[in-house]
Amino acid sequence: QQQVKQSPQSLIVQKGGISIINCAYENTAFDYFPWYQQFPGKGPALLIAIRPDVSEKKEGRFTISFNKSAKQFSLHIMDSQPGDSATYFCAASTGSGTYKYIFGTGTRLKVLA
Amino acid sequence: GAVVSQHPSRVICKSGTSVKIECRSLDFQATTMFWYRQFPKKSLMLMATSNEGSKATYEQGVEKDKFLINHASLTLSTLTVTSAHPEDSSFYICSATDSKNYGYTFGSGTRLTVV
Repeated sequence: QQQVKQSPQSLIVQKGGISIINCAYENTAFDYFPWYQQFPGKGPALLIAIRPDVSEKKEGRFTISFNKSAKQFSLHIMDSQPGDSATYFCAASTGSGTYKYIFGTGTRLKVLA
Repeated sequence: GAVVSQHPSRVICKSGTSVKIECRSLDFQATTMFWYRQFPKKSLMLMATSNEGSKATYEQGVEKDKFLINHASLTLSTLTVTSAHPEDSSFYICSATDSKNYGYTFGSGTRLTVV
């Protein structure tokens, strides 16, 4: 019940295309869902996060869609750029994000120029 | 924004020696810090949670005598890998929260290589 399942494991997108990464969870006590971007040899950096009281959050080219009934959330990267090539992790947490995170397995995104 | 500084970024040590990794919150008081280990092309594995002034809580399967965690102040936590062996080689990452604001901030990670 503590797992967060992430797919796909890897993704190749053409420049300008839309990248979509999906995550699913079981624990209904989760109340904070962040997405992190990680470049090789660096720590993860917070990209965008959502709480279950909203169904969508947009920040620039990045959008989180959240489906509470299905217990799923996804990251959409619009107009994908080569600089977006990185590994993306979804996560879930309780305590409004102050408790430990349960991470997804990661998606390696490659955006072709 | 919240900044977490982690040092060193890379360290190479001989088998049998100990290595200390520091994690500092630069502009906020970190009531809780987390230590993760990450294998190549894998997800982050939580090792332990440390709260300022108290003993760390280790995840199942993590040897507390090998991975010593100290959170002596609200801005500093340290991870000491004792009697390091080649299998301890990995990428170690800390993160911190002030328990007031949503989410927490990660350090830039430490690449440990034991030879």
